[in-house]
Amino acid sequence: AQKITQTQPGMFVQEKEAVTLDCTYDTSDQSYGLFWYKQPSSGEMIFLIYQGSYDEQNATEGRYSLNFQKARKSANLVISASQLGDSAMYFCAMREFSNFGNEKLTFGTGTRLTIIP
Amino acid sequence: NAGVTQTPKFQVLKTGQSMTLQCAQDMNHNSMYWYRQDPGMGLRLIYYSASEGTTDKGEVPNGYNVSRLNKREFSLRLESAAPSQTSVYFCASSLAGAPDTQYFGPGTRLTVL
Repeated sequence: AQKITQTQPGMFVQEKEAVTLDCTYDTSDQSYGLFWYKQPSSGEMIFLIYQGSYDEQNATEGRYSLNFQKARKSANLVISASQLGDSAMYFCAMREFSNFGNEKLTFGTGTRLTIIP
Repeated sequence: NAGVTQTPKFQVLKTGQSMTLQCAQDMNHNSMYWYRQDPGMGLRLIYYSASEGTTDKGEVPNGYNVSRLNKREFSLRLESAAPSQTSVYFCASSLAGAPDTQYFGPGTRLTVL
């Protein structure tokens, strides 16, 4: 079974609108973390936001917020007031611990977001 | 402070050739990782190193070897390249325990003919 599922291969959104990118995950661990990364056309991976499994509040970083619903195992990324520069691939990833605290990230297949002027 | 650096940025190999991808970080991180990204897909973990002197297999280790030379450097070797290894390779490092830990290098685009 896939550990991270992103069901939206591509999305088109009008500039200045809010957008939600979906992510569901599967783990039996109690302690885990969820990340979102942005990959623009230039190829680098840019960290956006992190949510720990024990965090009670949803994470926010500027225009980015993470809608964390633990019972549903979902960690959707919300981008408010989208900008043309938000056009990129977005990856959801889950951190699990192994080997005395070493961590591994498992990535979803990504969502390509295109912002329309 | 360069973060995570990778060399080379681009490489073309013929089937059967060998090469080593180099990665270095200057953030004093303990853990380092090698991922590959195939077209239209997310990153898949090849190998990781929790600390100097230790390495472990990830999701797709076949055809690769790694060396954690010291705390700063983590290299990935292809002994006999195959077309299926055509991909973009990312190195990352992390300070175990911190939330926003994995920092990525710029990637190496490898083509095997």
